[in-house]
Amino acid sequence: DVVVTQSPLSLPVTLGQPASISCRSSQSLVFSDGNTYLNWFQQRPGHSPRRLIYKVSNRDSGVPDRFSGSGSGTDFTLKISRVEAEDVGVYYCMQSTHWPYTFGQGTKLEIK
Amino acid sequence: EVQLVESGGGLVQPGGSLRLSCAASGFTFSTYAMHWVRQAPGKGLEYVSAISGNGIIIYYADSVKGRFTVSRDNSKNTLFLQMGSLRVEDMAVYYCAREPAYKAGTDYWGQGTLVTVSS
Repeated sequence: DVVVTQSPLSLPVTLGQPASISCRSSQSLVFSDGNTYLNWFQQRPGHSPRRLIYKVSNRDSGVPDRFSGSGSGTDFTLKISRVEAEDVGVYYCMQSTHWPYTFGQGTKLEIK
Repeated sequence: EVQLVESGGGLVQPGGSLRLSCAASGFTFSTYAMHWVRQAPGKGLEYVSAISGNGIIIYYADSVKGRFTVSRDNSKNTLFLQMGSLRVEDMAVYYCAREPAYKAGTDYWGQGTLVTVSS
């Protein structure tokens, strides 16, 4: 299985400051069709996961533009330009290039 | 509006069985692959199973292969997960989720149903 490793696992951030989460995969996530199927999810406390980003950098509908994704191959990053109180929760990257789809361990974002 | 509503969770003894359901609405169910993902208490997300829109292509995580069976009834817009030989480590909230396109991951998730495995 593809191992997906996130860092950091805990991310205390001051309101209004930027935040960045790294996601690395044990093998390339480029599929034979040329696409890279790397997704980012947010899970707020007590809620189901919500997808924020698909195919590395595409924001889902309704996702604020302060969230952005980047990367290629095996290294990816989720950035929040200015953290707001509603951003508290756990963030997961997930690869859907190879079966079984696999998640990173999660990064818990909290407000300092 | 897309809605996914899981049901069927509960308390079961080790070695027992349980059948989860996921009722879908707001989209053409038969044209979408569907997934089951679980989350043990206080832990991260783990893929369990996936099934294509026509039910022909099916995947299982190694941890559940041979014990769980995924199926769907497109006439009733419902996804199922038949779980057998349950173990303590299967205890989790089980989510169903929709895959919007091939390899696109999952866009909509249900609220989850809790499976507790305990004697």
